[in-house]
Amino acid sequence: QVQLQESGPGLVKSSETLSLTCTVSGGSMSSYYWSWIRQPPGKGLEWIGYIYYSGTTSYNPSLKSRVTITVDTSKNQFSVNLSSVTAADTAVYFCARVPYSSLNGFYYYYMDVWGKGTTVTVSS
Amino acid sequence: SSELTQDPAVSVALGQTVRITCQGDSLGSYYASWYQQKPGQAPVLVNYGKNNRPSGIPDRFSGSSSGNTASLTITGAQAEDEADYYCNSRDRSGSHLVFGGGTKLTVL
Repeated sequence: QVQLQESGPGLVKSSETLSLTCTVSGGSMSSYYWSWIRQPPGKGLEWIGYIYYSGTTSYNPSLKSRVTITVDTSKNQFSVNLSSVTAADTAVYFCARVPYSSLNGFYYYYMDVWGKGTTVTVSS
Repeated sequence: SSELTQDPAVSVALGQTVRITCQGDSLGSYYASWYQQKPGQAPVLVNYGKNNRPSGIPDRFSGSSSGNTASLTITGAQAEDEADYYCNSRDRSGSHLVFGGGTKLTVL
C-alpha cells in the first residue's frame, strides 16, 4: 500500500524559499505523475503543479514564476520549492500520486493517494 | 476565481439523494475527479473518470457528466458524508489541473 509523507520546515520567513519533500513508500514512482496541492486556512484546494517520474513538469500558471518541482526516483522522493514567499503562501501543503488513464481518446488524471499534509506558516 | 465552478453549500436530509455539480468549459473535453475532505484531514478520492470508485468508497457515490457540467451524486446520504467536496479536472488549455472552489455538504 503506497503511502506519502510530506516533510520540511513549518515556518518560513517572508521573501525566502519554501522547500518541502514528499517521500513515497510502499511502491514505485514509475508511470505516475506526482503532485503538490495546498490549502490556505479556511479556503479551498489549490493545485501547485506536478512532475512525471521521468521529470516532465507542469505548474499552476499563477505560481509558475516562483515554483519548481523536482523528482529523485532513487530516493523515492519529489520536492517543491516556492520562492519569494509571502503571508499568502501560508497553507497546508499536500503531496499526491496522480495516475492517468484514457477513454474515448481523452486522457484524465486523478489523485488517488494523498499525504496527510504539512502546515507551513510564512512569518514576517 | 476558478475555471471550475461549484455551489458553495448544499444540504440534504438524511437518507435522501443529493447532486453536487461542477461547471467549466474544460469539462466538455475532460473527465472530472471528486474529492471528499473532512475537517483537519487530507482529501479522499471518491469518484473519477467515467464513474469509477476507488476501493472502499461506498456505491452510493456516483459520478456523471453532461456537456460542461460534471456531477457527483450521493444516493441515500449518510451523516458521515457531511464534508467539503471538490472537483478537479484539466483547465481550458488542457495543460494544467484545476480545482473547483468546493461545496460544503450538510446532512440534516
